[in-house]
Amino acid sequence: GQQLNQSPQSMFIQEGEDVSMNCTSSSIFNTWLWYKQDPGEGPVLLIALYKAGELTSNGRLTAQFGITRKDSFLNISASIPSDVGIYFCAGQTGAGGTSYGKLTFGQGTILTVHP
Amino acid sequence: GAVVSQHPSRVICKSGTSVKIECRSLDFQATTMFWYRQFPKQSLMLMATSNEGSKATYEQGVEKDKFLINHASLTLSTLTVTSAHPEDSSFYICSARDLLSADTQYFGPGTRLTVL
Repeated sequence: GQQLNQSPQSMFIQEGEDVSMNCTSSSIFNTWLWYKQDPGEGPVLLIALYKAGELTSNGRLTAQFGITRKDSFLNISASIPSDVGIYFCAGQTGAGGTSYGKLTFGQGTILTVHP
Repeated sequence: GAVVSQHPSRVICKSGTSVKIECRSLDFQATTMFWYRQFPKQSLMLMATSNEGSKATYEQGVEKDKFLINHASLTLSTLTVTSAHPEDSSFYICSARDLLSADTQYFGPGTRLTVL
């Protein structure tokens, strides 16, 4: 089946530093998504990418959909303490068949920000 | 923005009992909802795809008779864990797909199930 490799698994950074994490896949996805999950809560959508090569920003967050459609990265600039949490990438399959709309998640990146 | 709710948020039950978890899309209609399971410090694993008015599609290895899914309306899907055992203890999360919002999936807050 489809697998996503997300790295790094965890990061410990100082407040103000920039953060970068990425995901790679063995197969193509039509959509790449980045979510943040706080402990005991559901994932919250941060950025959605719909076209290969697309670069999208949301405040201090920037994400790109790889040109091969098999990878994506997320950057967080000038990190703050509330950025702490688990970040997941997810690939979404396209139209057609029973797999339409299904998300495959990466393993997650645990981010710790020291004040 | 699109809101998905889950009820209950936490449930503790005895082994052998059945537990029902509700997932509702509050401000949009969702013909498709998804049910995930998440163990501590692990990623989300898709259990099944719930389609309004039809049978759910289960992922490989997920017992359909163990995890009953009903999607009776465009805003409600339920997951029933039947004859729960301690190994069913987990964090169950649903998501709902908003067809009017570029097929974006919005997640519920999750339900923590503990089976004693």
